[in-house]
Amino acid sequence: SQQGEEDPQALSIQEGENATMNCSYKTSINNLQWYRQNSGRGLVHLILIRSNEREKHSGRLRVTLDTSKKSSSLLITASRAADTASYFCATDAGTSGGSNYKLTFGKGTLLTVNP
Amino acid sequence: DTGVSQDPRHKITKRGQNVTFRCDPISEHNRLYWYRQTLGQGPEFLTYFQNEAQLEKSRLLSDRFSAERPKGSFSTLEIQRTEQGDSAMYLCASSPRGQPQHFGDGTRLSIL
Repeated sequence: SQQGEEDPQALSIQEGENATMNCSYKTSINNLQWYRQNSGRGLVHLILIRSNEREKHSGRLRVTLDTSKKSSSLLITASRAADTASYFCATDAGTSGGSNYKLTFGKGTLLTVNP
Repeated sequence: DTGVSQDPRHKITKRGQNVTFRCDPISEHNRLYWYRQTLGQGPEFLTYFQNEAQLEKSRLLSDRFSAERPKGSFSTLEIQRTEQGDSAMYLCASSPRGQPQHFGDGTRLSIL
């Protein structure tokens, strides 16, 4: 079953604009991760935020985590046409053998950046 | 390219046939994972290995599915007596312990 739910399901913006995607989840987590998937390809890891962190940056990406609301957001600033892809949040609630062994993904947000 | 490699990329088969997929992880990654992804959905966890040991299997992995990782290197996922509902993208990922997972480009299975 899917734990994370991304919102919106689809987002279309112009190049240069910012894109914000949200993710809600249901159970306690060790960390939350965001992945990108281009059509017909595998997933690419973007960023990981641990349950004791509230905000993290990586290049044009900014991720926030609110464990009290069980939600996260991914902000992509100054978007480019190459950012067009599906974006998934994934939660890690693993407790056996360390974390990050069993990810639960949401349904994803399809981002289209128009040139 | 030293990423995760999956073979074949596409597989078309008739219902009732057996199929086997192969995954070559990034060398030195002791963890290997299999996921299934259907259209419009996120990947769903199937199973994972630490070295050659299969440590967890999802309820999604019925008795028609079997995965192996002999010698802790490459892995195979076999589906016996395929059904229409098995049509999906099968993704493999690998990682060092506690690190983010690196995904292959998947094997797309189509059941006629």
